[in-house]
Amino acid sequence: AQSVTQPDIHITVSEGASLELRCNYSYGATPYLFWYVQSPGQGLQLLLKYFSGDTLVQGIKGFEAEFKRSQSSFNLRKPSVHWSDAAEYFCAVVLLSGSARQLTFGSGTQLTVLP
Amino acid sequence: DVKVTQSSRYLVKRTGEKVFLECVQDMDHENMFWYRQDPGLGLRLIYFSYDVKMKEKGDIPEGYSVSREKKERFSLILESASTNQTSMYLCASSLNNEQFFGPGTRLTVL
Repeated sequence: AQSVTQPDIHITVSEGASLELRCNYSYGATPYLFWYVQSPGQGLQLLLKYFSGDTLVQGIKGFEAEFKRSQSSFNLRKPSVHWSDAAEYFCAVVLLSGSARQLTFGSGTQLTVLP
Repeated sequence: DVKVTQSSRYLVKRTGEKVFLECVQDMDHENMFWYRQDPGLGLRLIYFSYDVKMKEKGDIPEGYSVSREKKERFSLILESASTNQTSMYLCASSLNNEQFFGPGTRLTVL
């Protein structure tokens, strides 16, 4: 069965520091990969996605992610974190099932940003 | 912009009540989804629908049912609410593998 692992439940960084959030997946073929962000009390917003092509993808809010097939990873990065980046981040993988495409989510990483 | 709306942001119900959670999308998407979100567990898929009157079970369908009578509306039904269904419920619709989420309904069952 497919699974998505986010090994870090909670990460704390100082404002201006760099950030890397880890994501590993277990899947038989190259999946479609996503990162979403959820601010407190809000729904999920798509940060970026990878379907094919260049393995380094750029997203909104200055985020990027790199797909590494050999490591089954899709880590999210940002060179300089802003206080407004404090939120929960979810990695997700598309699973083909029937006529719709299901997302399988990781358990999330809560990001705290220190002033 | 795609808009997915959910009928309530907060809802409090009693054990045994029948609960309806409504979701509406305005972009003519074929696929719609219901998830529940619990701390440490991420989002888990309850049901999804790929067309009007079509539905498929997700990972945790027990205790829930759904209805999709119109393309834009996807309803989640708790036939007899229980305390273990206290959770955040998120609706989504999708186009080209990208899902768009509503703001969520935080349901408390007393």
